[in-house]
Amino acid sequence: DTGVSQDPRHKITKRGQNVTFRCDPISEHNRLYWYRQTLGQGPEFLTYFQNEAQLEKSRLLSDRFSAERPKGSFSTLEIQRTEQGDSAMYLCASSFLQGVDYGYTFGSGTRLTVV
Amino acid sequence: AQTVTQSQPEMSVQEAETVTLSCTYDTSESNYYLFWYKQPPSRQMILVIRQEAYKQQNATENRFSVNFQKAAKSFSLKISDSQLGDTAMYFCAFMLTQGGSEKLVFGKGTKLTVNP
Repeated sequence: DTGVSQDPRHKITKRGQNVTFRCDPISEHNRLYWYRQTLGQGPEFLTYFQNEAQLEKSRLLSDRFSAERPKGSFSTLEIQRTEQGDSAMYLCASSFLQGVDYGYTFGSGTRLTVV
Repeated sequence: AQTVTQSQPEMSVQEAETVTLSCTYDTSESNYYLFWYKQPPSRQMILVIRQEAYKQQNATENRFSVNFQKAAKSFSLKISDSQLGDTAMYFCAFMLTQGGSEKLVFGKGTKLTVNP
């Protein structure tokens, strides 16, 4: 197991197009998080899953955003009708149920550029 | 709502010297954790050090140590014997631990450059 994997690393899309990102967490980890990091800012929480259940969503996650984690394994984050303001680094992280005890593991992120 | 403030957007230090990065936070909760994460250029974020709020003793990890002042809501990171590989963005983060998602609230970061 080589850690949290995110695909693609970079994505350039035209405004109005749909994009989907994938995150493969560490296999033993129950929890999976999505964060968004814009230039000059720290990461901001978007949503998290415990196994396959999506248990919390940030107000940052508008109706154009949807995340899934089928079967409690990998997760996808889809953005519909992309806008220039969606340009950011999208980070995925995973942890055991009590992440604070064992720590998060972050992926390298997907950098989205909307032109 | 919890907030985290890092007042130093950029800092630099000479190799082998010591540098301190500042962080303050705001919360009304009593049980929480504080973290420092390092994000090297184009690389993934990694945990540097963490501190449990109920512990008075400051956490230490090799060359990294914290000065945790709970009453002042201050959590600074000291890097001793700075190395070129310490060049990175450093983020201070806060986590509530009671019955929640254990999501992290991050500051805006401090860009640290270690000069040879």
